[in-house]
Amino acid sequence: SQKIEQNSEALNIQEGKTATLTCNYTNYSPAYLQWYRQDPGRGPVFLLLIRENEKEKRKERLKVTFDTTLKQSLFHITASQPADSATYLCALSTSGTYKYIFGTGTRLKVLA
Amino acid sequence: NAGVTQTPKFQVLKTGQSMTLQCAQDMNHEYMSWYRQDPGMGLRLIHYSVGAGITDQGEVPNGYNVSRSTTEDFPLRLLSAAPSQTSVYFCASSSGTGNSPLHFGNGTRLTVT
Repeated sequence: SQKIEQNSEALNIQEGKTATLTCNYTNYSPAYLQWYRQDPGRGPVFLLLIRENEKEKRKERLKVTFDTTLKQSLFHITASQPADSATYLCALSTSGTYKYIFGTGTRLKVLA
Repeated sequence: NAGVTQTPKFQVLKTGQSMTLQCAQDMNHEYMSWYRQDPGMGLRLIHYSVGAGITDQGEVPNGYNVSRSTTEDFPLRLLSAAPSQTSVYFCASSSGTGNSPLHFGNGTRLTVT
């Protein structure tokens, strides 16, 4: 069955460092991979989308890579700040479908 | 700019009771969906709709009904609540298929006793 794995343990890093979150998947060939941020008591908020033919995507301090051979995406936050503390979710989808598969999320805590 | 609005924010039901979770969006999105989020399980798709009058089942549809009479609204009905339906429910909408971002509401936390 299709499966997405994200680090279930929380990630603690020092302010100013780069945070790297991992999203691995199996039994799936996604056309698109998305990353979302979720704060406690709130719905997920879209951050970035990367297509299967793109290796890397950047937006301000965020960078996403997508390796379809390794079946893995890495999500980087450079110069991290305490305000970046949240849970980050990855989601996969295929072309022409309305169905998204979500990972369980990784909780990031940036220490001042 | 409201986006996706869900009501209520919190609800407690007794086993066997029924209720409707409301979802409305003001972005004219054709696609709307309902997810439930449980600890350690991630977001799981319950039902979705690709336009008014068109609905389909997701991964975990049992115990839930939906209908879509307008583009704006997509209510989720629990016919006979069970403790296993205790969860946080999110409604989401998007303008297209898998290459479009999902816009989520802020959820309804449901407890069934």
